[in-house]
Amino acid sequence: AQKVTQAQTEISVVEKEDVTLDCVYETRDTTYYLFWYKQPPSGELVFLIRRNSFDEQNEISGRYSWNFQKSTSSFNFTITASQVVDSAVYFCALSEDGKTSGSRLTFGEGTQLTVNP
Amino acid sequence: ETGVTQTPRHLVMGMTNKKSLKCEQHLGHNAMYWYKQSAKKPLELMFVYSLEERVENNSVPSRFSPECPNSSHLFLHLHTLQPEDSALYLCASSQDWVTYNEQFFGPGTRLTVL
Repeated sequence: AQKVTQAQTEISVVEKEDVTLDCVYETRDTTYYLFWYKQPPSGELVFLIRRNSFDEQNEISGRYSWNFQKSTSSFNFTITASQVVDSAVYFCALSEDGKTSGSRLTFGEGTQLTVNP
Repeated sequence: ETGVTQTPRHLVMGMTNKKSLKCEQHLGHNAMYWYKQSAKKPLELMFVYSLEERVENNSVPSRFSPECPNSSHLFLHLHTLQPEDSALYLCASSQDWVTYNEQFFGPGTRLTVL
């Protein structure tokens, strides 16, 4: 069975600090996808990134960057120069092979990030 | 309207009431999902519809009854709920169910069962 662990329940930083959100996953599939979603106070989950299991290249998008390491089964998310608007709950998720069971996402428990001015 | 919309945004109901949650997606997607988000717990997948056919039912109690009349609309009918059913109910859609497409979420319905 697949599992996603986000060990950090809550993180609080001061604006402009860098912060890394950890995500560790378990799966027996060799083909899988990893996702990060942001849930602001308004409620809807906002898609941030998708990474497939064959692409370990790190990705940067503005102040956001992601570090995917299959050797440690981790897919960590870093926000550089954090801003108050980054305050939200962030979810890491894993999708198993869609050929047999469809696009079923397993979510971690989420990390509540608070960025203080 | 764009994306995924949900109504109502907030709902308070007694245990003997019958109510329905509505979800509508304006993205032309073929798959729709219901999730339950309780405090301090991961999102729980409840139901999946692909091309209007239910393809997943994650051991959800029968007091929750989904309905998908077409590929753009999804309902969750509620009947004789329990206080522990109080949660945020999220609807999502994706291009289709059998690939790795990202899911797009609505804002959710905050349900309180008294």
